[in-house]
Amino acid sequence: SAVISQKPSRDICQRGTSLTIQCQVDSQVTMMFWYRQQPGQSLTLIATANQGSEATYESGFVIDKFPISRPNLTFSTLTVSNMSPEDSSIYLCSVGGAGYEQYFGPGTRLTVT
Amino acid sequence: SQQGEEDPQALSIQEGENATMNCSYKTSINNLQWYRQNSGRGLVHLILIRSNEREKHSGRLRVTLDTSKKSSSLLITASRAADTASYFCATDAMDSNYQLIWGAGTKLIIKP
Repeated sequence: SAVISQKPSRDICQRGTSLTIQCQVDSQVTMMFWYRQQPGQSLTLIATANQGSEATYESGFVIDKFPISRPNLTFSTLTVSNMSPEDSSIYLCSVGGAGYEQYFGPGTRLTVT
Repeated sequence: SQQGEEDPQALSIQEGENATMNCSYKTSINNLQWYRQNSGRGLVHLILIRSNEREKHSGRLRVTLDTSKKSSSLLITASRAADTASYFCATDAMDSNYQLIWGAGTKLIIKP
């Protein structure tokens, strides 16, 4: 298992600004995932972040809008850039190996005004 | 993209009753997983069933998998108020590059 923390837990931001979300894992992991969950909806994968390589983005998500860093095997950041109210969501990071369960952080609840 | 469809979308039952949620998917899978999410928090893994398994138990949870029908069910027996949450199925599809594909979720409310 893995214990994951996220910062901040919630934030209210002005449109046009950027927010960086941090994800810290208590053990070294290869694959980290970033998800977005809009109110009352399921999870949508934003990107997969492997240490030492560029993040792989899903259709509809681009690096300019959601830049990701993965400097080591226990840490990653997701930045939500040039925010608009449509970016208001819960952002979740998770870790997991192929064929195994994923472990999730508690989420970052973002409100853009 | 989402391949899981869950039903019902919402379920409200009395404490002590059993709750059954269903999940259908579209492509061949390596495994199917169920997760619980309490009120917009992080998800908690409940149970993983592999494609060659038909049934799995964990405490009050029972999961079945029918690969011929591409469907799974989650049964929670003797429900408790603390079981109130959203429940999601997720599939590890064979061509998914190890990503999970998520269902829409079932919102379960247990009335005391």
